[in-house]
Amino acid sequence: DSGVTQTPKHLITATGQRVTLRCSPRSGDLSVYWYQQSLDQGLQFLIQYYNGEERAKGNILERFSAQQFPDLHSELNLSSLELGDSALYFCASSVAEKARQYFGPGTRLTVT
Amino acid sequence: QKEVEQDPGPLSVPEGAIVSLNCTYSNSAFQYFMWYRQYSRKGPELLMYTYSSGNKEDGRFTAQVDKSSKYISLFIRDSQPSDSATYLCAMSALGDTDKLIFGTGTRLQVFP
Repeated sequence: DSGVTQTPKHLITATGQRVTLRCSPRSGDLSVYWYQQSLDQGLQFLIQYYNGEERAKGNILERFSAQQFPDLHSELNLSSLELGDSALYFCASSVAEKARQYFGPGTRLTVT
Repeated sequence: QKEVEQDPGPLSVPEGAIVSLNCTYSNSAFQYFMWYRQYSRKGPELLMYTYSSGNKEDGRFTAQVDKSSKYISLFIRDSQPSDSATYLCAMSALGDTDKLIFGTGTRLQVFP
């Protein structure tokens, strides 16, 4: 158990809908990262927050957004969902920048 | 060409064998190198973390980094059936982003 928690574990929704994925980092970790894992693209970096501020963006679609709250938990919002958004979404956390990243168990999103 | 290349396998070995897993990369800015283990439908688990070149050993696992050849390896000694998983290499560069660039993963099967 990495200490990173993610909810929900599974999510099934229809095209065009909006969902919110939640992540709680390990105790003491200030940095949160979101990754998407699909069969054809592998693990892809989406976005990073550090102590509430956005630090880096990867290949994140404009339909996706995220934020990190004062208690350091983070939410990833996915809107106007398409079939191709079906994937595993992982959150990772680290104590500081350039430190080891520890991954949560993931949220499996299925868009039908 | 992908920044990080990894043979997807599958690699099938008998219990007790020495396993060698490898990744090559093209970006000379990569300075941090990691190996993650991922069991089916679970989050990636950090196994090894190295900075720059050299070797690092932890129990049955040894990580090697050869920056001159842009080549990293993970060796598993006395492999066990419980080592059966997908092994992902990951890298990040010095600079203002912590994003990890992952290989596609090598699926390892250790049979009794």
